[in-house]
Amino acid sequence: EADIYQTPRYLVIGTGKKITLECSQTMGHDKMYWYQQDPGMELHLIHYSYGVNSTEKGDLSSESTVSRIRTEHFPLTLESARPSHTSQYLCASNPGLMKDTEAFFGQGTRLTVV
Amino acid sequence: SQQGEEDPQALSIQEGENATMNCSYKTSINNLQWYRQNSGRGLVHLILIRSNEREKHSGRLRVTLDTSKKSSSLLITASRAADTASYFCATDEGTYKYIFGTGTRLKVLA
Repeated sequence: EADIYQTPRYLVIGTGKKITLECSQTMGHDKMYWYQQDPGMELHLIHYSYGVNSTEKGDLSSESTVSRIRTEHFPLTLESARPSHTSQYLCASNPGLMKDTEAFFGQGTRLTVV
Repeated sequence: SQQGEEDPQALSIQEGENATMNCSYKTSINNLQWYRQNSGRGLVHLILIRSNEREKHSGRLRVTLDTSKKSSSLLITASRAADTASYFCATDEGTYKYIFGTGTRLKVLA
């Protein structure tokens, strides 16, 4: 099992609420990622980070924001949740250069906005 | 858009049979990786193959890579019911981003 944790595992919230999905890893990895996974399975990269104070938007436009104040922590925030944000969110990290290393994934947060 | 496209999208086989799934990608890569996802869970890394490798084995898994065709295949031999999962290929696209394919849903019938 990888040492990367996501909380909560499941969340049901009302439209307009602000939420933060937590992701923490204890492996000291510099690179971290957020993916959104639709029910049809495809994973879309929405945010990534090369290290502390580094954040980049991914390939899929997202209304969420991220921060990276500490190496181990990469939270994702939705300021005003909408039903279109209903999805599974997966956090991942990797320790080094992509050509040599694998990504480690958390168990995911399944978000439902009603 | 996704870098990788898996084929088939879904596969159903009997226990003991071999399962083959394919992945195609679009740009040059440093490596290609295969991951497994059990229903509703995170992804777990299975195997990494570098761009200068053509074949790699790990237990019942065999991965091939053809960079001229920009394609890879994952073979699971002697499948078991516990192999039922979704399988994804991922490429680095020469950057620090992992780009995942669309996935193949494998169902192994006991």
